[in-house]
Amino acid sequence: QKEVEQDPGPLSVPEGAIVSLNCTYSNSAFQYFMWYRQYSRKGPELLMYTYSSGNKEDGRFTAQVDKSSKYISLFIRDSQPSDSATYLCAMRKDSNYQLIWGAGTKLIIKP
Amino acid sequence: EADIYQTPRYLVIGTGKKITLECSQTMGHDKMYWYQQDPGMELHLIHYSYGVNSTEKGDLSSESTVSRIRTEHFPLTLESARPSHTSQYLCASSDSKKDISGNTIYFGEGSWLTVV
Repeated sequence: QKEVEQDPGPLSVPEGAIVSLNCTYSNSAFQYFMWYRQYSRKGPELLMYTYSSGNKEDGRFTAQVDKSSKYISLFIRDSQPSDSATYLCAMRKDSNYQLIWGAGTKLIIKP
Repeated sequence: EADIYQTPRYLVIGTGKKITLECSQTMGHDKMYWYQQDPGMELHLIHYSYGVNSTEKGDLSSESTVSRIRTEHFPLTLESARPSHTSQYLCASSDSKKDISGNTIYFGEGSWLTVV
């Protein structure tokens, strides 16, 4: 079983919708949680990271961590066609450990 | 925007050839990484370096080798390419001094390798 599970999608929603992307994990030692966005044929870029539980907001993006359920979410408000990409979650125990990645969810925002 | 560059972006080569994928970063980052990513799959760490003359193997076994003679340069070499090496290779870097949590990893645009 993989340490980090992520639905591959694709998830297709109309422009302006609220998008919810999720990852589940099995290792309770994970403390740092990240969301990366990857456009086709490009490298991933960091969108947000959170430490431990709680919410973090940055513009139209909100990251949420529920350590009791081992579940993290990324919400995108007022979704735009330019948000169409693959969204990867990643997590680690602490800065001395390597990142463990989800396989990514492909998101399609229809104009 | 990250200043990390990979060449070539796309490469098709024959079995048995030796290839080197180049990676350079101009940010002065001490840590550098090579990841392998197949379509729809997770990123897998194949090599990393914490500084000059430091190289370690990652979680995914790889027949490739790396070197870190200069801070900004982290090339990956395959001595004898095989079709099983067909994949996307992503180079990345981070600054352990600037970001104490080590979370901000900057990626290059990737090198797509096809071995025929």
